[in-house]
Amino acid sequence: EAGVTQFPSHSVIEKGQTVTLRCDPISGHDNLYWYRRVMGKEIKFLLHFVKESKQDESGMPNNRFLAERTGGTYSTLKVQPAELEDSGVYFCASSQDRQGGYGYTFGSGTRLTVV
Amino acid sequence: AQSVTQLGSHVSVSEGALVLLRCNYSSSVPPYLFWYVQYPNQGLQLLLKYTTGATLVKGINGFEAEFKKSETSFHLTKPSAHMSDAAEYFCAVIPGYSSASKIIFGSGTRLSIRP
Repeated sequence: EAGVTQFPSHSVIEKGQTVTLRCDPISGHDNLYWYRRVMGKEIKFLLHFVKESKQDESGMPNNRFLAERTGGTYSTLKVQPAELEDSGVYFCASSQDRQGGYGYTFGSGTRLTVV
Repeated sequence: AQSVTQLGSHVSVSEGALVLLRCNYSSSVPPYLFWYVQYPNQGLQLLLKYTTGATLVKGINGFEAEFKKSETSFHLTKPSAHMSDAAEYFCAVIPGYSSASKIIFGSGTRLSIRP
């Protein structure tokens, strides 16, 4: 089966611009997660979708970040306007079950650099 | 609150030597435990997981980990290191018996292999 696909793989934007990251989960996986790793720090949870609904968005840093999952398939994460501290690697993951017992399958990540 | 502690941000071993990466967790209920690996310029790949049953779990590439509830540990081992094992390793936990869980990562351990 195809894995979790993320694009772009890299993005370099200027402070104040807008960037949209996309994630295509494994087909049939209702649960989709966004995580990010800021340079040298831990991988942190951002939010969790079950189908098209936001189950948990407690990790979203502020209202400059907007995640959507229209139709319960792919998801986008928009950062507007981007700030320097938003630089990092953004990972998307999907899973079959809500409890996570099957493990998550992660994408390769999008490396975002804000200059 | 649940947390994951990985001892040693950087571990270096000789090729052929034992690999031991340490992970301790805190959780009020039996958790699901995972080890992920990130090779250079790639995404997070699941190495192994513990959910229930046998406490010694075997993963890919010859790695294994043992869940020790009394020690709240889930250390990762491999009897003989290969050069290809050089990567960053993440221990992660999902609190058990939760209806909707997010994975919590440790800060990662970078493994280097000396020729």
